[in-house]
Amino acid sequence: DTGVSQDPRHKITKRGQNVTFRCDPISEHNRLYWYRQTLGQGPEFLTYFQNEAQLEKSRLLSDRFSAERPKGSFSTLEIQRTEQGDSAMYLCASSKSRDRGTDTQYFGPGTRLTVL
Amino acid sequence: QKEVEQNSGPLSVPEGAIASLNCTYSDRGSQSFFWYRQYSGKSPELIMSIYSNGDKEDGRFTAQLNKASQYVSLLIRDSQPSDSATYLCAVNMQRGGTNAGKSTFGDGTTLTVKP
Repeated sequence: DTGVSQDPRHKITKRGQNVTFRCDPISEHNRLYWYRQTLGQGPEFLTYFQNEAQLEKSRLLSDRFSAERPKGSFSTLEIQRTEQGDSAMYLCASSKSRDRGTDTQYFGPGTRLTVL
Repeated sequence: QKEVEQNSGPLSVPEGAIASLNCTYSDRGSQSFFWYRQYSGKSPELIMSIYSNGDKEDGRFTAQLNKASQYVSLLIRDSQPSDSATYLCAVNMQRGGTNAGKSTFGDGTTLTVKP
């Protein structure tokens, strides 16, 4: 257990429905990342926050996806009008930024989404 | 060409042997390199990080980095059946702050350690 929690752990929904996932990072971590992983692939970057600011969003991410981190603590990822291609494991990671260089990311357990 | 490439495997080694996992990356600006272990159905677990050319050892694990050749490797000594998992290589660029933390992952190498 890294200290990053995600909820729910599993979500089954019908095509066209909206879903929302939550991530609670390690408390002292100011950066929060969302990734998506499908079977046989590595995690694919979606977006990330430093505190409450969303600093980068993948160009591959359609406008059906939106993420927020309103108070710089927990984050939510919403998918509107889900499609079967959205079925994947959605991973959240957090890190503590350093003045120089990069930081080490710790992953939560993931939310597995199945779109029927 | 993918930004981070790994042999998908499967790589099979006998118990007690050395497992060698390799990763190449395309962006010469990459500065930080990570190895994660991922068991089936679970999330990635950090094993090693390496930032400078050379070797870095942590218990049975050794990460090796060669920036000139743009490759990073992971050696697992005295392999155990519990090491059987998918190993993910991740690469970060350093661009002075804002997107320095973003990781680009390979698709992983599946390792099987046979008793």
